[in-house]
Amino acid sequence: DAGITQSPRHKVTETGTPVTLRCHQTENHRYMYWYRQDPGHGLRLIHYSYGVKDTDKGEVSDGYSVSRSKTEDFLLTLESATSSQTSVYFCAISEVRGNEQFFGPGTRLTVL
Amino acid sequence: AQSVTQPDIHITVSEGASLELRCNYSYGATPYLFWYVQSPGQGLQLLLKYFSGDTLVQGIKGFEAEFKRSQSSFNLRKPSVHWSDAAEYFCAVGPSNFGNEKLTFGTGTRLTIIP
Repeated sequence: DAGITQSPRHKVTETGTPVTLRCHQTENHRYMYWYRQDPGHGLRLIHYSYGVKDTDKGEVSDGYSVSRSKTEDFLLTLESATSSQTSVYFCAISEVRGNEQFFGPGTRLTVL
Repeated sequence: AQSVTQPDIHITVSEGASLELRCNYSYGATPYLFWYVQSPGQGLQLLLKYFSGDTLVQGIKGFEAEFKRSQSSFNLRKPSVHWSDAAEYFCAVGPSNFGNEKLTFGTGTRLTIIP
């Protein structure tokens, strides 16, 4: 399995609080992605990175920001969490653009 | 824009029976195609992929998929399912043109296996 970890694995927070999720990889892959998974929607891309300090928006980026200061770490921040952001968040990595992605174990986030 | 449709939300199959999960895509050229499996509480695992060449691709766990350009389909098959195959299955399409990093996922098909 690809070396991808996510932290925390579970988090419960309150509306309006900031939340940061971390994705860490040991594969030295260039591309990293954040998805959210919700019933009936499959996986939807939030943001992705194509290199250190290089990021771009996905289809559901509103309310989220990302940062990548090192190859191995990709952070997803909810500046002010809302109940609509309750979801399971997956990080993925890819060595080649458009190629297969490898997924982390996920973070279950509940916003009360 | 590319898109993926998995028309079956939920499929129930008897153990030992054959399986076919449907996937249709929309894309202007030959795409890269993928099937992933997700067990409860787990991340997604790649089952197989199609980039070019032979339209019948073999994957892990005894799965195969066939790319049919005329039908814009990439259906997943297994001749005999095992109880451990119960999971959710996602089809994904990634554009083959240089410069686009994104995959688009279908909404998934949940597979239930009955004894």
